[in-house]
Amino acid sequence: QKEVEQNSGPLSVPEGAIASLNCTYSDRGSQSFFWYRQYSGKSPELIMSIYSNGDKEDGRFTAQLNKASQYVSLLIRDSQPSDSATYLCAVRGSSASKIIFGSGTRLSIRP
Amino acid sequence: GAGVSQTPSNKVTEKGKYVELRCDPISGHTALYWYRQSLGQGPEFLIYFQGTGAADDSGLPNDRFFAVRPEGSVSTLKIQRTERGDSAVYLCASSLRAQGASGYTFGSGTRLTVV
Repeated sequence: QKEVEQNSGPLSVPEGAIASLNCTYSDRGSQSFFWYRQYSGKSPELIMSIYSNGDKEDGRFTAQLNKASQYVSLLIRDSQPSDSATYLCAVRGSSASKIIFGSGTRLSIRP
Repeated sequence: GAGVSQTPSNKVTEKGKYVELRCDPISGHTALYWYRQSLGQGPEFLIYFQGTGAADDSGLPNDRFFAVRPEGSVSTLKIQRTERGDSAVYLCASSLRAQGASGYTFGSGTRLTVV
């Protein structure tokens, strides 16, 4: 079992709709959770971080964390073509020294 | 500097050669991380430095890979006897400190191609 699992996609969403990206993790003691966006040929960029159960909103982005289910999600409202990218879920585990990344979900926003 | 700087941006080398990849972290960041990313995969952890010492090198794939950070700032990832399977983008990241809730800031990466 991978430490951080994501559906590789591609996930295709019409412009203006809500995109929902999901992630599960195996280390129950994990402390911090991140979403990175990566455009083709570029390095990952941190867009959201969440540390406690519930929702965290930042503009069009909402991160959701459920530690009991070991589940993290990212919602993107009013999806724009510029949101087309690979979204990486990342988890800082119980050792707290490094962040483990999932393999990413490719998101495509169709006009 | 303002961001994490990695040099070179691209490196093509022949199988069996030695390469060095350099990372200059954000000023004042004590934690420095090396990852590598293959096509279609997420970044894979290699090694993490807290100050000058390698606090966790569990991700280094074998003894051909080595990294140093002698003065607690710039780090060099060294790969001996390169193999075609080493071809990937090597990413460096830094953070203010290793513990706690902060995410990383990545450099733009070094694309290594072994031919």
